[in-house]
Amino acid sequence: AQKVTQAQTEISVVEKEDVTLDCVYETRDTTYYLFWYKQPPSGELVFLIRRNSFDEQNEISGRYSWNFQKSTSSFNFTITASQVVDSAVYFCALSAFGTDKLIFGTGTRLQVFP
Amino acid sequence: GAGVSQTPSNKVTEKGKYVELRCDPISGHTALYWYRQSLGQGPEFLIYFQGTGAADDSGLPNDRFFAVRPEGSVSTLKIQRTERGDSAVYLCASSPNLSGGTDTQYFGPGTRLTVL
Repeated sequence: AQKVTQAQTEISVVEKEDVTLDCVYETRDTTYYLFWYKQPPSGELVFLIRRNSFDEQNEISGRYSWNFQKSTSSFNFTITASQVVDSAVYFCALSAFGTDKLIFGTGTRLQVFP
Repeated sequence: GAGVSQTPSNKVTEKGKYVELRCDPISGHTALYWYRQSLGQGPEFLIYFQGTGAADDSGLPNDRFFAVRPEGSVSTLKIQRTERGDSAVYLCASSPNLSGGTDTQYFGPGTRLTVL
């Protein structure tokens, strides 16, 4: 069975702090994909990143970075120098190759205060 | 270009009524997905279309739920004899399905369904 766990329900930080959102996944498949989506107060899910199981290179995009570690089944997301506009619910998701459906975690609500 | 659109944005209905929710995917995307998101939860998969056919409907909770995509573009999710437990945000996503694996899915704004 596939499962995604986001143990942090809610995180509050002050602007300019760095924050890491944790994601732990379970799957027996050798080929799979991991995703992060952002859901701002408007409600629409915004795609952030897609990573396949054979690519363990960490990725950086502006203030965002992702750390993928197969040894610990984790795909953590770090926001550097957080801003108020980063306030949203962030979802980690998993999909096995060929299944096409996404299995989402329960999300982490990030609140960034000025 | 235009993203995934969903109508209506909000739907309020009474228990026992029939509802239809519409999704218009990104032009050219062959794969279309429906998810349901309850308050405080992540989206849960309902059904996936590849072209006109339902490739995976394993997430539909029961036979009151049905979805169609007759021309391989717009899709309609149909719920019969609605129950209060059906209240949720229904999300639609589409992907180009270029790789044959799991492409990135792009989501619409959702339809918030409230069953009174």
